[in-house]
Amino acid sequence: NAGVTQTPKFRVLKTGQSMTLLCAQDMNHEYMYWYRQDPGMGLRLIHYSVGEGTTAKGEVPDGYNVSRLKKQNFLLGLESAAPSQTSVYFCASSTGGSSYNEQFFGPGTRLTVL
Amino acid sequence: GQSLEQPSEVTAVEGAIVQINCTYQTSGFYGLSWYQQHDGGAPTFLSYNALDGLEETGRFSSFLSRSDSYGYLLLQELQMKDSASYFCAAMDSNYQLIWGAGTKLIIKP
Repeated sequence: NAGVTQTPKFRVLKTGQSMTLLCAQDMNHEYMYWYRQDPGMGLRLIHYSVGEGTTAKGEVPDGYNVSRLKKQNFLLGLESAAPSQTSVYFCASSTGGSSYNEQFFGPGTRLTVL
Repeated sequence: GQSLEQPSEVTAVEGAIVQINCTYQTSGFYGLSWYQQHDGGAPTFLSYNALDGLEETGRFSSFLSRSDSYGYLLLQELQMKDSASYFCAAMDSNYQLIWGAGTKLIIKP
């Protein structure tokens, strides 16, 4: 039982390049989330999904796109990276849909945009 | 807007007790969660309060007062491994977590 895994762990991009971050979970969770965390700050929700084939915008969605083609996978795309997107990206999953909503996090992807 | 306020840093001595406060303002509210994050690591769940009162889990306890929009995390018998950042997070009406900026707990021997 691997929990939540993220690929890659580190990445350096040049401004304007694109990339996709992959998140996978083996807990059969319905809900999945993408967050970003900047130094000295809490997590901010980028996009989330309440089930296979669904996605929704979070607090800071601009510049990102997501897809949830399979229940266990949630992809985060950056079409044209900008230095402001330098951050640590965390994926999380939960059973969702109830007031008790413990989220399980992946190890994070550290992204630098030059 | 939605926001959670918590102190940026708290210092305590090994073996002591420390309390980390959190006040929240959200559109709809289901409950308050607490997460721990070590440097370079991922957040891990500590506790959740949906109702007023104290929840105890080993050395950690969490309290909620819905009427005051306030909660706290209490850590007892502090150990050096408790040095980390602690985040409160409120669940809003969309079942989304709104996070505070985190409290860095520094423990001195």
